[in-house]
Amino acid sequence: NAGVTQTPKFQVLKTGQSMTLQCAQDMNHEYMSWYRQDPGMGLRLIHYSVGAGITDQGEVPNGYNVSRSTTEDFPLRLLSAAPSQTSVYFCASSNSGEQFFGPGTRLTVL
Amino acid sequence: EDQVTQSPEALRLQEGESSSLNCSYTVSGLRGLFWYRQDPGKGPEFLFTLYSAGEEKEKERLKATLTKKESFLHITAPKPEDSATYLCAVQSGMGDMRFGAGTRLTVKP
Repeated sequence: NAGVTQTPKFQVLKTGQSMTLQCAQDMNHEYMSWYRQDPGMGLRLIHYSVGAGITDQGEVPNGYNVSRSTTEDFPLRLLSAAPSQTSVYFCASSNSGEQFFGPGTRLTVL
Repeated sequence: EDQVTQSPEALRLQEGESSSLNCSYTVSGLRGLFWYRQDPGKGPEFLFTLYSAGEEKEKERLKATLTKKESFLHITAPKPEDSATYLCAVQSGMGDMRFGAGTRLTVKP
């Protein structure tokens, strides 16, 4: 099993550009989520999904979109990147509370 | 609003010097409290889940305990390889997951 995979590992964007962070899991987990991690603030939940076709907002959803067309994939879209979105993004999946995290995407918005 | 506070922010120990990390929380209907370990440049790695006050879990040199307001991660005779950031998270009855800011542990040989 590859577990949770994320691409790309690093990305630099200019203000106003859009992009999609990819996340995939091969553990057949129903629950998937996206977090951002900033220094001194811990992980903050952006969006989550409890199954294909179902998504919901977390603590900091503004500026991000998600969709869940399959159990395996949960992409995160930045609609119009802003410097405040510079962060490390983690995707996670779960079936029973404990979450399995991907390696992260380090995003810089100039 | 659900809140998770971890202390201390950073902890430096000598190898073999036991200590405890604290996680204080307020949550509406605790579904579970989770401890993770995070190494630099990597995603968090699951350690323990605790569900109810009085519960304890152990793994090697780590032991997690839970009360109605806080959880402790006890580290017994730590080794340099235990150096990492330790994260605490609570899941509410609604399913939301809230993380603390973490405790950065350094164990010197």
